[in-house]
Amino acid sequence: SQQGEEDPQALSIQEGENATMNCSYKTSINNLQWYRQNSGRGLVHLILIRSNEREKHSGRLRVTLDTSKKSSSLLITASRAADTASYFCATDEDRDDKIIFGKGTRLHILP
Amino acid sequence: ETGVTQTPRHLVMGMTNKKSLKCEQHLGHNAMYWYKQSAKKPLELMFVYNFKEQTENNSVPSRFSPECPNSSHLFLHLHTLQPEDSALYLCASSQWTGNTEAFFGQGTRLTVV
Repeated sequence: SQQGEEDPQALSIQEGENATMNCSYKTSINNLQWYRQNSGRGLVHLILIRSNEREKHSGRLRVTLDTSKKSSSLLITASRAADTASYFCATDEDRDDKIIFGKGTRLHILP
Repeated sequence: ETGVTQTPRHLVMGMTNKKSLKCEQHLGHNAMYWYKQSAKKPLELMFVYNFKEQTENNSVPSRFSPECPNSSHLFLHLHTLQPEDSALYLCASSQWTGNTEAFFGQGTRLTVV
């Protein structure tokens, strides 16, 4: 079953601009994670935010979580060409141990 | 390097072949996972192992057979696959199941001809 759904499906921005991706989910969760995947490679964990947290930072990444709206956003500031990748949110349902991924947002940074 | 190693990286097999995918982690993790990633579809969880015991089989066809001999190794045995099984197969591990960061291997790109 699919829990998280990212929006937009694809995003192209100029290098240096900020990129914002959103994730919506359906059931209550313990935490939400964001991952990055370069083409045809494995996923790399970026950041985990717990259900009792509202905002978290890691370098150029800023993640917010709104449990009332069942949504999260990932902001990448001052984007670089190397940020070109697919970004996935992943959630665990409160009563389950499975980590379920969304379809992802394909981010393309234009030089 | 994430600490999770998958072999082979690429595999082409006929529908009558039998092959195995291997995943290895020395991170001291207790949970290991197989995911399937097809084009234009969400990452699909296939199997979950926790302390070498299978805790999740996500309605995967029996032509996929997992094996977890110990906490560090995970195999996916393949036999009589179909062309629609062509995909990127990703292995992951985490300290525990559920609420923790997962570390992924680079994946095996499988093509069934």
